[in-house]
Amino acid sequence: QQKVQQSPESLSVPEGGMASLNCTSSDRNFQYFWWYRQHSGEGPKALMSIFSDGDKKEGRFTAHLNKASLHVSLHIRDSQPSDSALYFCAASEQWSNYNVLYFGSGTKLTVEP
Amino acid sequence: GPKVLQIPSHQIIDMGQMVTLNCDPVSNHLYFYWYKQILGQQMEFLVNFYNGKVMEKSKLFKDQFSVERPDGSYFTLKIQPTALEDSAVYFCASSLALRDWGGNTLYFGAGTRLSVL
Repeated sequence: QQKVQQSPESLSVPEGGMASLNCTSSDRNFQYFWWYRQHSGEGPKALMSIFSDGDKKEGRFTAHLNKASLHVSLHIRDSQPSDSALYFCAASEQWSNYNVLYFGSGTKLTVEP
Repeated sequence: GPKVLQIPSHQIIDMGQMVTLNCDPVSNHLYFYWYKQILGQQMEFLVNFYNGKVMEKSKLFKDQFSVERPDGSYFTLKIQPTALEDSAVYFCASSLALRDWGGNTLYFGAGTRLSVL
């Protein structure tokens, strides 16, 4: 069983719209979450991290974490065609010392002009 | 931004042969990682490496796998001998530090696609 599940598998939004991506962990040891973005032909690039309950906003991107339900989401406001990519949620354990990240299978986001 | 380079981008070898995947991490980073991604599946942690030693490895890091970074050069993943199930994309990553409460960041390369025939 995957420790990190993402939904939906794919998502299409119009340019200027809001994209919402979801991630749930099945392991209560996971306390730290990241969102990574991967454009075609490139490696994953960290977008933002969230470690505390509530919202964290960076520009057009807002992450929300609910530790009780182990649910984290990413919302992209005013989506741009350049946001089209594969988005990964990643989590690590509370007591992990060596930054072992567990990744979800990703959500493919397409922003249509 | 900081870049991790992986060489080659694609490697095709026959089963049973040895292969070495090369990674040039971000210059001042101290911690190095390999992840494996089978087509259509999530990336999975293989191993991390610091100060010349493997710090942690997963069950996917078989006895046929080894890592090293001789004299601060490339961080390498060697597979000897290779098996069909080793076909995947291998991502190298590096980080400056371990956990700092502000959130450590892993920088990934673009990956090496390994095809074992």
